[in-house]
Amino acid sequence: GENVEQHPSTLSVQEGDSAVIKCTYSDSASNYFPWYKQELGKRPQLIIDIRSNVGEKKDQRIAVTLNKTAKHFSLHITETQPEDSAVYFCAASLGGSQGNLIFGKGTKLSVKP
Amino acid sequence: DAGVIQSPRHEVTEMGQEVTLRCKPISGHDYLFWYRQTMMRGLELLIYFNNNVPIDDSGMPEDRFSAKMPNASFSTLKIQPSEPRDSAVYFCASSKRAGGNNEQFFGPGTRLTVL
Repeated sequence: GENVEQHPSTLSVQEGDSAVIKCTYSDSASNYFPWYKQELGKRPQLIIDIRSNVGEKKDQRIAVTLNKTAKHFSLHITETQPEDSAVYFCAASLGGSQGNLIFGKGTKLSVKP
Repeated sequence: DAGVIQSPRHEVTEMGQEVTLRCKPISGHDYLFWYRQTMMRGLELLIYFNNNVPIDDSGMPEDRFSAKMPNASFSTLKIQPSEPRDSAVYFCASSKRAGGNNEQFFGPGTRLTVL
């Protein structure tokens, strides 16, 4: 079955710097890759997603890139702010009528003011 | 819509007791997922339903865990008997369609502590 590896497990940056989180997946049939943000004590919430027919997607300070050949995708956060501090999870899915999300182990991002 | 609703929000019980967690998905969503989150194992999918039918329960740890979805607006996750290693946050999520670039909406979670 699908396996998703996420790195790094912790990341500390200064406010205003960029942050990059990387994930790899094992099943080449996976075609949907969402990213969730979980603030301390709260529920995971979708922040951005990408489908396999797209190489990059941006939403303000957040962007996701996908390399299908290498089977890896990344989350990029620019101009980080303290409120970006959270745990970020990547996930992969086969999509369609089946295909639950397989989550990475998460990256704890700390943005220092 | 109130979003996904879970109850109770916190549960403290003693080893050996039965625990029942409850979930009300977002109206109109066909898929319901139960997850368990711990520091060691991260976010694990336990089971998911499509139109009230269990599709994949391969993530259910053992026979002590069972889940039901008697109708489109209600699901339960039961642990009997509970053990200290079951302590975790249990999330319920729902979506209009599994995977397939349809967002999963998570409930607030139930924090379970088994003493």
